Amino acid sequence: GAGVSQSPRYKVAKRGQDVALRCDPISGHVSLFWYQQALGQGPEFLTYFQNEAQLDKSGLPSDRFFAERPEGSVSTLKIQRTQQEDSAVYLCASSLPGSQPQHFGDGTRLSIL
Amino acid sequence: RKEVEQDPGPFNVPEGATVAFNCTYSNSASQSFFWYRQDCRKEPKLLMSVYSSGNEDGRFTAQLNRASQYISLLIRDSKLSDSATYLCVVKRDQGGKLIFGQGTELSVKP
Repeated sequence: GAGVSQSPRYKVAKRGQDVALRCDPISGHVSLFWYQQALGQGPEFLTYFQNEAQLDKSGLPSDRFFAERPEGSVSTLKIQRTQQEDSAVYLCASSLPGSQPQHFGDGTRLSIL
Repeated sequence: RKEVEQDPGPFNVPEGATVAFNCTYSNSASQSFFWYRQDCRKEPKLLMSVYSSGNEDGRFTAQLNRASQYISLLIRDSKLSDSATYLCVVKRDQGGKLIFGQGTELSVKP
């Protein structure tokens, strides 16, 4: 399809395991954002890329969280040594430059047991 | 205190009712304002942008008061399909991150 694609749709991991979440943005969208949405809350910003450059990572909650976008297209959000509080929906959004609207993917629902 | 605050929900209204959502933001440097809609277990989708002059899209009217840092959304003649969570969103700069409120759940009943 032509929208933002995220995988996996659901991920269950044991506490302490590492996970990797993938985002494939809309073709041509230079801006890419990751958000974390806890149950009953609005999404919260994690990090932002413009092409391959990570311009803002102020929302990453700890050094266990790492994001990359090496070729300026697909992005991966990695969480190391997962904790139960990491359980949330992780949303990816992409947009054209400037003040263009952000388009969201379906999200990855992460559950840490 | 969160940067964007919304009315707590849920709002339960009958079909045809008019419902209003309110939102306040704390950062006066905020530049852009939006309402997003999120259906259960789905991604947020842009409902409408909000301008100082006020804007309308069919049954939906959005207002922005920069002086009091207040945003509103009015839904007239509500439909069952309007049932969703409505998220108030601000952006501080062009191309930057979105800052979401907690969201207000709306349930429209027959």
